[in-house]
Amino acid sequence: SQTIHQWPATLVQPVGSPLSLECTVEGTSNPNLYWYRQAAGRGLQLLFYSVGIGQISSEVPQNLSASRPQDRQFILSSKKLLLSDSGFYLCAWSPASGGEKLFFGSGTQLSVL
Amino acid sequence: GQNIDQPTEMTATEGAIVQINCTYQTSGFNGLFWYQQHAGEAPTFLSYNVLDGLEEKGRFSSFLSRSKGYSYLLLKELQMKDSASYLCAVRDNTNQAGTALIFGKGTTLSVSS
Repeated sequence: SQTIHQWPATLVQPVGSPLSLECTVEGTSNPNLYWYRQAAGRGLQLLFYSVGIGQISSEVPQNLSASRPQDRQFILSSKKLLLSDSGFYLCAWSPASGGEKLFFGSGTQLSVL
Repeated sequence: GQNIDQPTEMTATEGAIVQINCTYQTSGFNGLFWYQQHAGEAPTFLSYNVLDGLEEKGRFSSFLSRSKGYSYLLLKELQMKDSASYLCAVRDNTNQAGTALIFGKGTTLSVSS
């Protein structure tokens, strides 16, 4: 069966510090991968998606970047965090064929102070 | 672009029935999803509609009318554990993100005894 792992679960970082969140998927090949952010009182916002290694598309301009160095690994990064980067970050995957639903990781609660 | 609207908050009592409405506007509708999200946790999949009509799954049912851009999630025999946010999401096949889901802001349901 397929599983998705995301870490860390919580993170407190000072403004201006770097960020690296990692997500890995097991039990499937060539998944579509996504990063979403959920700010307080707001809905899930799609940040990045990837359909293959090295293929990253960004939905909104921002202070963040994403990379996919391996088929089932998706990394969210920032060189210098802003206060507005605080939020609940969720990694998700779906089958390459599209499938019917997204499967979410357990999320990372990021607080930038 | 996409626009998804759902009520911000709803309250109900144990044992009751509640209906959470969702209206959407998309360029190329390709499915509507409902997710449940408890505070601090990842969303979990509840239901999927791509054709008009009612999909029933235990205590939960979801309805779709594509011509009206409307869906609802019906929860029967409410339990305290049903207190959560309910997220309406659509897949738009004209979206550059392809298989990604676009989410509404969610409806926070509070169930009281």
